Amino acid sequence: GESVGLHLPTLSVQEGDNSIINCAYSNSASDYFIWYKQESGKGPQFIIDIRSNMDKRQGQRVTVLLNKTVKHLSLQIAATQPGDSAVYFCAENGGYNKLIFGAGTRLAVHP
Amino acid sequence: DSGVTQTPKHLITATGQRVTLRCSPRSGDLSVYWYQQSLDQGLQFLIQYYNGEERAKGNILERFSAQQFPDLHSELNLSSLELGDSALYFCASSPGTDYGYTFGSGTRLTVV
Repeated sequence: GESVGLHLPTLSVQEGDNSIINCAYSNSASDYFIWYKQESGKGPQFIIDIRSNMDKRQGQRVTVLLNKTVKHLSLQIAATQPGDSAVYFCAENGGYNKLIFGAGTRLAVHP
Repeated sequence: DSGVTQTPKHLITATGQRVTLRCSPRSGDLSVYWYQQSLDQGLQFLIQYYNGEERAKGNILERFSAQQFPDLHSELNLSSLELGDSALYFCASSPGTDYGYTFGSGTRLTVV
């Protein structure tokens, strides 16, 4: 059953399309950001991170973009697959490695 | 399996009771973090330990306490439980106090 966020915003995409999940962060002094994926009944799983001295970082099928001017972070998933269906959280460094998480976005992938 | 072990996976208890959640970090990790995740909220940082010492504290209630033992496992104690304490409680660990930690699969606490 659902374990997270009954009222989360949802992004619905077709299988094979690209997905873009957005996140606004609060602290202009944050120097490290992470995207996590959380599937139902599981703990958050690390996807990709980026430091504030970078604007873009690419992983396998995922890209994170950082716009420090407007304090915005985005996660792009290429060729979205059904297995990508989950809740996605951005997180920023809150000091002492304490992460401050955003509210999350639910990604629903339809065949 | 992330390597971070949390027990129990599920816990149902009555209001006013006390429970203990346990976390074993990944082998070699010295830092342990506790987070609370309610249904309508994101992940809220509770507390961090590094090598047995408390390093950072978040919005942790006074009814909650934690500790990290010499073998590096950690326990989160929740007392005088209220219905609103029902949530998922996650533990995470990292090698040091730098970034990129790994979460366990959580303990689902239901207070009735």
